[in-house]
Parts: sequence; structure tokens; C-alpha cells
Amino acid sequence: QVQLVESGGGVVQPGRSLRLSCAASGFGFNNFGMHWVRQAPGKGLEWLSFIWFDGSNKYYADSVKGRFTISRDNSKNTLYLQMNSLSAKDTAVYYCARDQGVALDYWGQGTLVTVSS
Amino acid sequence: DIQMTQSPSTLSASVGDRVTITCRASQSVSNWLAWYQHKPGKAPKLLISKASSLEFGVPSRFSGSVSGTEFTLTISSLQPDDFATYYCQQYNSYQFGQGTKVEIK
Repeated sequence: QVQLVESGGGVVQPGRSLRLSCAASGFGFNNFGMHWVRQAPGKGLEWLSFIWFDGSNKYYADSVKGRFTISRDNSKNTLYLQMNSLSAKDTAVYYCARDQGVALDYWGQGTLVTVSS
Repeated sequence: DIQMTQSPSTLSASVGDRVTITCRASQSVSNWLAWYQHKPGKAPKLLISKASSLEFGVPSRFSGSVSGTEFTLTISSLQPDDFATYYCQQYNSYQFGQGTKVEIK
């Protein structure tokens, strides 16, 4: 069955960097675009970034453009999110999700990132 | 950017009630709209795509409709498992609505 497992979250100081990973299994990872979505404490879902199935195109929300970079390694069935210049506003649970073409059909359980000194 | 306005933000209802949640887009998104259910500590779950296509395995009490730029999620008879937060998402530029928390009355 389709599984998405995020990792790499934790506590990080303001201004520092963190890289999240999303390990995919149970489907042809190299055939699907992938997204990152986050949810800050007490807030709603916020779309962050999308990468095409082959990594050739990438899209970002304005809130993270220039600070976050999405990438993928299809040989490892893994999606990444490199997060730089983190601030308290980036504290959230981060989810990866599969792009069905018209919606996000499978999601991981999320990984918590806390930005705090 | 396309903005999504979802209402209400909170809804109190009883088991068996008919519940309606609305999402309005700031401009046309055709029928590129999805609805998700999210429970605390769980992964969001896709309910409906393309405004009205029910995902496999989702109970038929859930339905979606569209009129122009106004999209509606309806739960025909609220069940105990349906108390959750619901989000719309437009699939042109992927923005989510603000969410609707369905609470027990």
C-alpha cells in the first residue's frame, strides 16, 4: 500500500537550517509529482511547494520562496525539503503528499519542526 | 493569487444533522477543487476531487457541488466519525481554505 513517511523534524534555532525527508513506498514514486504542506499550531493547512515527477519543475508559496528548496531523488524514492533561515513562524507539522493530478491523494503522518532558541 | 474563502470557521452540529460548508474562489478555478477531512494527529484525508468526485471508500453521505466560483461540501447525515476539520483546496495554485471545524453541539 502507499506509504509516505516524513523525517528530519526537531528543534532548531532561529536562523538555522533543516532538511526534511519523505520516504515513499508502495507506488511508482518516479511517476508522481509531490507536495509539501504544513500546519502551524492552531492554524490551518498551508501549501508550501510542489515538484514534478521528474524534478524538472518546482513551485513555491510566497511565504517560503527563496528560503525553502524542494527536491527529490527518484533512485531513493525520497522527497526532500531544505529549509533555510528558519524563524518561529516556520514552527509547524510538515506533511508530504502525493499529487494525483487533481488533488493530494495520499499524505504522510507529518514531522514536527520547532524553531526556538 | 487565487484566494479561497471558506465558511463557516466553526460549525456546531448534532449526529444526524445535514451540514453544509462553503468555499468561494476569488476567480474561476473551473472545477479544480478538492475537499479534505483532517483529524488531530492524523494525516489529512482526501474526500472529494474535481468539485464533486467522491474518492473510493468515502461514505456516500459526503457530496460536493459547484455553482460558479462557490463550492459546497455537504454531509447529509452527520455521523460521530465526521467530527473533524474540513478544508477546501483549489488546484490551480494549490491554496487551501481556512478550514471549518465541525464540533459536537
